[in-house]
Amino acid sequence: ILNVEQSPQSLHVQEGDSTNFTCSFPSSNFYALHWYRWETAKSPEALFVMTLNGDEKKKGRISATLNTKEGYSYLYIKGSQPEDSATYLCAPGGGNQGGKLIFGQGTELSVKP
Amino acid sequence: DGGITQSPKYLFRKEGQNVTLSCEQNLNHDAMYWYRQDPGQGLRLIYYSQIVNDFQKGDIAEGYSVSREKKESFPLTVTSAQKNPTAFYLCASSIASQRQPQHFGDGTRLSIL
Repeated sequence: ILNVEQSPQSLHVQEGDSTNFTCSFPSSNFYALHWYRWETAKSPEALFVMTLNGDEKKKGRISATLNTKEGYSYLYIKGSQPEDSATYLCAPGGGNQGGKLIFGQGTELSVKP
Repeated sequence: DGGITQSPKYLFRKEGQNVTLSCEQNLNHDAMYWYRQDPGQGLRLIYYSQIVNDFQKGDIAEGYSVSREKKESFPLTVTSAQKNPTAFYLCASSIASQRQPQHFGDGTRLSIL
């Protein structure tokens, strides 16, 4: 896995808006897909690890879906709150990459009250 | 509390000097990782280790060295051969599988004097 694209690069929404981001990756040799949230002045925190095509995971107002055949994952935030402001990173891992993950550039979310 | 400790938080390097960044974990994880972050870029893998006394180069290993003599510790040395060392460095650990989330330290910011 060489190229991971996240879009949009940044997003500004109002409190209460729902939003979603995309992570695109080469579908060959897929093994797992990680999502992390990285708040300013803190360390990245794992949100989800997804492995199966069609997987859907949920944590409170945040959910994610995975399509390994076409090589993308969506992260959704329902009813955004100011505390959701962070950079969201996706990181796929390939079966031939050992323990390596390849991180995307991230989507920076800002939620205004 | 279980976690990952990176030190120092800020580090300054003089030209021609080697500096070592510390990473210690008490999560009993076999795998440890070093990443570098530059403005506008995602996390790039420098080195990783899946077991004591073994480590592999990541995507940007040139100018860096590591050791893994103990399970808990994975220090990173930025050598004088690294011509552009100014960056934010993150250490992470996990159970040794791409299907397990990585846990991150708070990072070290390295600057050149």
